[in-house]
This record gives sequence, structure tokens and C-alpha cells, in this order.
Amino acid sequence: GQSLEQPSEVTAVEGAIVQINCTYQTSGFYGLSWYQQHDGGAPTFLSYNALDGLEETGRFSSFLSRSDSYGYLLLQELQMKDSASYFCAVLYGGSQGNLIFGKGTKLSVKP
Amino acid sequence: NAGVTQTPKFQVLKTGQSMTLQCAQDMNHEYMSWYRQDPGMGLRLIHYSVGAGITDQGEVPNGYNVSRSTTEDFPLRLLSAAPSQTSVYFCASSATGGVQETQYFGPGTRLLVL
Repeated sequence: GQSLEQPSEVTAVEGAIVQINCTYQTSGFYGLSWYQQHDGGAPTFLSYNALDGLEETGRFSSFLSRSDSYGYLLLQELQMKDSASYFCAVLYGGSQGNLIFGKGTKLSVKP
Repeated sequence: NAGVTQTPKFQVLKTGQSMTLQCAQDMNHEYMSWYRQDPGMGLRLIHYSVGAGITDQGEVPNGYNVSRSTTEDFPLRLLSAAPSQTSVYFCASSATGGVQETQYFGPGTRLLVL
């Protein structure tokens, strides 16, 4: 089968660094992607990792370890507007189009 | 360029009623999909399509039908609504459906089945 595990909630203070983890189990791995969703809004694409290592995009970075079936999203210099839910996603069984999301991590940024 | 559009934004149905949720995209994307989102459950894939005339089932297809007669449109049909189908429905599209691609989501349809 396939599964994606994420913590359900994370709390951090403004200006801090937070890491949101994702472990996955799927046959035919083609990469891990991350999405952000604000309350009442639609998910938006943040990043993608196909190879091991860190991908940096501004304040956000995403890391992948294929040998550990593990990835994380790192958010630096947290701002109040980063309060949102964050989802990791993989292709189920490697099948094109069968994109499966984790249950999401709700990040609350406190002043 | 409107991206992905969904109609209606809100809908209230009675148990047993049928309806169609509309989704359209103007980016010439081959891949389109439907997700439902329930509290604590994340996004669950209902059906998807990798091109006109091709559809496939996702994680939770029961109670829903789809068809893809054009590249632009991907309607989702509820033939006999049930309270368990109360949810927020998102349509998404991307070039070919690869995990490396940006999935563009519509604004969502909030459905309440009484």
C-alpha cells in the first residue's frame, strides 16, 4: 500500500525556524512535493524534490532522503502569514496522475 | 487567463438529489483531477483524467462519476447525494499529472448534503 505520515499540528513563534516532516511509503517513487493551504483557500504548490538533498526557495526549503523514505519542509524567519496547512504529496504506485496527499500539518505562528 | 474555475462556490442538496460540479481550465493541461477535503483527512483523490476521453479512479471514487469529453472541462457528477458527501471539493490541473509539476487548484466548491 501507500501512506504519507505528517504531524497534525505544529506551533512556532514569529521569526523562528520550523521543520515539518513527512514519511512516505509507496511503490515506484517519483519525487515528493509540498503544498500550502490557508484556511478557506485552495492549495498552492511550494516545492518538489526528486533527488536526495535540500532545495531552497527563499525562506522555504525542502529536503529529501530516498533511502529513509523521508522528507521535510523547512520554513525560516517565520511570519504570521505562514500560518497555514502544509501537505506533502507523492504519486501512488508511480502511476501518472494518481497524486496522493498527506493529511496535512497545521502550522500556527504566534507573535 | 483564468486558470482553474469551479462552479458553483456553494451548494446545498437534499439526500438523493443529483448535481454536477463544474470544473474548467484554460491552460491546455492534459491532466485534471477532483479531490474532496474533510477536516483532518487532507485531500483525497476522487477521480482523475490524463487526457480527453481517459478517466481513472482515485482513492474514494464511490458515489461519483466523471467524464472528459474536452481538454478544458472535467465535470464531477453526484448521482444520488448522501450526507457523507458533505465536503469541500477541489478541482486541479497540471500539464501531464507528474508529481514534479505544479498542480493548479480551483477555488473549491463547498457542498452540504442534508
